[in-house]
Amino acid sequence: EAGVAQSPRYKIIEKRQSVAFWCNPISGHATLYWYQQILGQGPKLLIQFQNNGVVDDSQLPKDRFSAERLKGVDSTLKIQPAKLEDSAVYLCASSLEPVYGYTFGSGTRLTVV
Amino acid sequence: AQSVTQPDIHITVSEGASLELRCNYSYGATPYLFWYVQSPGQGLQLLLKYFSGDTLVQGIKGFEAEFKRSQSSFNLRKPSVHWSDAAEYFCAVNTGFQKLVFGTGTRLLVSP
Repeated sequence: EAGVAQSPRYKIIEKRQSVAFWCNPISGHATLYWYQQILGQGPKLLIQFQNNGVVDDSQLPKDRFSAERLKGVDSTLKIQPAKLEDSAVYLCASSLEPVYGYTFGSGTRLTVV
Repeated sequence: AQSVTQPDIHITVSEGASLELRCNYSYGATPYLFWYVQSPGQGLQLLLKYFSGDTLVQGIKGFEAEFKRSQSSFNLRKPSVHWSDAAEYFCAVNTGFQKLVFGTGTRLLVSP
């Protein structure tokens, strides 16, 4: 089966600019996650979708981050405006049954300068 | 709140030697436990998982892990390390609320 697709792979922006990331999960996976991984740390959950509804966005900085999952398939994560501390790898994952683990994409490495 | 501790930030092992990476979790009941590996510039790949039953679980690439309830641990082992095993390893728990909580990771270096 095809894996979780993410784009772009790399992005460099200046602070206060906006940026968007795209994720296409594995076909049929109802649950989709966005994680933020800062260098030297483990991934931290930003938001969890079940189909096109939000299950958990408690750790999403909603003043600058937004995410949507239209039609319960693809998802986009946006940052506006970006800060230096947003430099990280943004990982998308999907799952058929979350308790059995997720499949991760290769991630988008964001550098804010 | 549930948490995962990986006490070793870096570990260096000689090629061919055995490996053990430590993981401790904090949770009232038995969680679902996972080990993931991340190579540079890549996403996370699932190595193995534990839900219930036999406390010794086998994974891909020759890895295994043992769940010890009394120690709240889920340590990852490999009898003979290969240079290609150099990567970062993450332990994670799912407490049934459908989200994975990760440890901070252990970077494995393999010396010739």
